Amino acid sequence: QQQVKQSPQSLIVQKGGISIINCAYENTAFDYFPWYQQFPGKGPALLIAIRPDVSEKKEGRFTISFNKSAKQFSLHIMDSQPGDSATYFCAATNAGGTSYGKLTFGQGTILTVHP
Amino acid sequence: GAVVSQHPSWVICKSGTSVKIECRSLDFQATTMFWYRQFPKQSLMLMATSNEGSKATYEQGVEKDKFLINHASLTLSTLTVTSAHPEDSSFYICSASGLVSGETQYFGPGTRLLVL
Repeated sequence: QQQVKQSPQSLIVQKGGISIINCAYENTAFDYFPWYQQFPGKGPALLIAIRPDVSEKKEGRFTISFNKSAKQFSLHIMDSQPGDSATYFCAATNAGGTSYGKLTFGQGTILTVHP
Repeated sequence: GAVVSQHPSWVICKSGTSVKIECRSLDFQATTMFWYRQFPKQSLMLMATSNEGSKATYEQGVEKDKFLINHASLTLSTLTVTSAHPEDSSFYICSASGLVSGETQYFGPGTRLLVL
């Protein structure tokens, strides 16, 4: 019940295209859903995050879509650029719980954007 | 965003020695720090959660006597890998959260450990 399932495992997109990464969760106590971007040899960097009281959040070219009833959320990268090539992780946590905000991570998606 | 640093960024040591990795929150007070381990092309595996001034809480399967965690101040946590062996070679990453950041965890740049 603590798992977050992420797909696809890898994704290849042409420059200017839309990259879409999906995540699904089981634990209905999760109430905070961040996405992280990680470049090789670096730590993850927070990209964008959403709470379940909204269905969509947009920041620049990055949009999170959230479907509470389906327990799914996705990251859309518009106008994908070669510099977006990285590994993306979705995560979830029960921020208000007793786990001190412990994150449950998805398996990761390796995104490659071809010029 | 908040900045978290780690030192060293990489370390090579001989089998049987101990290695200490520092994690610092540079511009906010981190009430909670997390330590992760990451293998190549895999997700992050949480090792332990530490709250300032308290003993760390270790995840199942993580040897607390081998991976010593200290969170002595609101800006510093340390991970000591004791009697390191080649199988301890990995990428170790810390993250921090606090009253200002709320539920958001900010990650350090990671430390690459190679045990020969």
